[in-house]
Amino acid sequence: EAGVTQSPTHLIKTRGQQVTLRCSPISGHTSVYWYQQALGLGLQFLLWYDEGEERNRGNFPPRFSGRQFPNYSSELNVNALELEDSALYLCASSLGFQETQYFGPGTRLLVL
Amino acid sequence: EDQVTQSPEALRLQEGESSSLNCSYTVSGLRGLFWYRQDPGKGPEFLFTLYSAGEEKEKERLKATLTKKESFLHITAPKPEDSATYLCAVQARSTDKLIFGTGTRLQVFP
Repeated sequence: EAGVTQSPTHLIKTRGQQVTLRCSPISGHTSVYWYQQALGLGLQFLLWYDEGEERNRGNFPPRFSGRQFPNYSSELNVNALELEDSALYLCASSLGFQETQYFGPGTRLLVL
Repeated sequence: EDQVTQSPEALRLQEGESSSLNCSYTVSGLRGLFWYRQDPGKGPEFLFTLYSAGEEKEKERLKATLTKKESFLHITAPKPEDSATYLCAVQARSTDKLIFGTGTRLQVFP
């Protein structure tokens, strides 16, 4: 069974640019979560999507947004990139509400 | 506020030297406590879920236990391939998001 997949694996952007990260959940999983892991910090919850709807978001500014498609894949969009957005962005999926979350390999974003 | 604290931050062990990692938590209504393993530059790999005080789970050289205030991850006779960062997370009954600790970086030397 294929795990959670994310693309791209690495990305380099400059301040002020916009970026889109993609995530495909495990087959059968309907919930998708996005987390940010900055260097030296723990994983911080960004967004949770279930059945195409945004269910919850963490303490991040509105320039962090996303969506979930009918096939349950998801995109994370970050506008007006700042240097401190440099981090590993992790996507996780679960079968549903409060089921175990399984993580993808992440997308490493570097903002110069 | 829901919070997770892990200790120690880093741990160096000789191969075969058993030890324990600690995860202290405060959460308004615990639904579950999760342990993950993370290798450098990779996503966290799920290890265990614990739901109630007194519960224990085992997998190879790892054993996780849970009390009302903390969880321990016991590593018995570790091998170099057990070297990784071990993450603890809690989930409250009212939400789906995981609150993570900053992890314990374990290094096992031959």
